[in-house]
Amino acid sequence: AQSVTQLDSHVSVSEGTPVLLRCNYSSSYSPSLFWYVQHPNKGLQLLLKYTSAATLVKGINGFEAEFKKSETSFHLTKPSAHMSDAAEYFCVVSVTSSGGYNKLIFGAGTRLAVHP
Amino acid sequence: DTGVSQDPRHKITKRGQNVTFRCDPISEHNRLYWYRQTLGQGPEFLTYFQNEAQLEKSRLLSDRFSAERPKGSFSTLEIQRTEQGDSAMYLCASSLALAYTGELFFGEGSRLTVL
Repeated sequence: AQSVTQLDSHVSVSEGTPVLLRCNYSSSYSPSLFWYVQHPNKGLQLLLKYTSAATLVKGINGFEAEFKKSETSFHLTKPSAHMSDAAEYFCVVSVTSSGGYNKLIFGAGTRLAVHP
Repeated sequence: DTGVSQDPRHKITKRGQNVTFRCDPISEHNRLYWYRQTLGQGPEFLTYFQNEAQLEKSRLLSDRFSAERPKGSFSTLEIQRTEQGDSAMYLCASSLALAYTGELFFGEGSRLTVL
């Protein structure tokens, strides 16, 4: 079964320093992977997606993620954290049902705190 | 605002009562999903509709839960005889079928507290 594991439940960084949120996936074939962000009292929003094209994926707000098949990883990075980046981040894999439609399976989430 | 809307945003109820949540998806989206999110966890898939047809129900959806999408537009999620374990955020999301790219558009959720 396809799944994702987020390796850190909480990450704390200082404003202006790099961000690294780690995600490993489990899949028997090339997966479709995503990062979603959830700000307090806001709906989940897509940050970026990997669908077997370029392995380095750029998303919104300066975030990017690199698909590494050899490491089964899809870590999310940003060169310089901003206070507004404080939120919950979810690594997500798309699975295809026997009926041919897709649904998203979420990791447990990583809460990112950004300090002045 | 043309995003996914959910109502009510917050619901406090006593154990044993019935509650109903409504979701209005983005108008041209024919796929609709319900997820449940508990504190400190990622959203868990509950059920999926394509137009008015309910195509999958998770094992998390006990017989106390029922979801409908009668005309392929809005959807309702009803929980009968609520239990304290039902306390969670219930999230609705929608997407297009033919142009599916993995992006689901989520509402802000309906938070249920069962006392």
